[in-house]
Amino acid sequence: DAKTTQPPSMDCAEGRAANLPCNHSTISGNEYVYWYRQIHSQGPQYIIHGLKNNETNEMASLIITEDRKSSTLILPHATLRDTAVYYCIVRVEVTDKLIFGTGTRLQVFP
Amino acid sequence: DTEVTQTPKHLVMGMTNKKSLKCEQHMGHRAMYWYKQKAKKPPELMFVYSYEKLSINESVPSRFSPECPNSSLLNLHLHALQPEDSALYLCASSQDRNYGYTFGSGTRLTVV
Repeated sequence: DAKTTQPPSMDCAEGRAANLPCNHSTISGNEYVYWYRQIHSQGPQYIIHGLKNNETNEMASLIITEDRKSSTLILPHATLRDTAVYYCIVRVEVTDKLIFGTGTRLQVFP
Repeated sequence: DTEVTQTPKHLVMGMTNKKSLKCEQHMGHRAMYWYKQKAKKPPELMFVYSYEKLSINESVPSRFSPECPNSSLLNLHLHALQPEDSALYLCASSQDRNYGYTFGSGTRLTVV
């Protein structure tokens, strides 16, 4: 299974962009990169996913490097409500397995 | 309806009890999942159902028994659990493996 590596924690000032990195150097050609977040004691929330191209939605942007070995989730204007654990996940090819790594605990401060 | 609903939200059970967790979705998703999450740890995959059939069992002990009565409903039957099984149990669903999962808010289980 492709594994992901994320920093255990990050801080971000409110109103600034939060850039969360993820390494997935063993990713296969057909495996998607997913980002989820989990606010304390709630179920994980889907944020965004991508294969090769950069993606943007109302929540965030996903930048995937050309070699697909790493990606960055960007929250353009972080708010206090964005404080959560952010998981970068590579979905196991041709299965229904979504395996969570250890994630990054993002703390947004005033 | 764009939610996954889990009941109950909290459950306390003794080691000799039998209980069930329930998960429901009305989004027409074809796959449903059970995850277990211990405190300060990431969710761990337990079971995957695809088109109402069990497709993945991540070597989960038999005291956990999943059931998918129909395409909208997923149960997790619990029997003879141990205190170390206390955790947040999360249910999720997805339409297709290349789409995002929708998670429920979980059932917090305490085994005494």
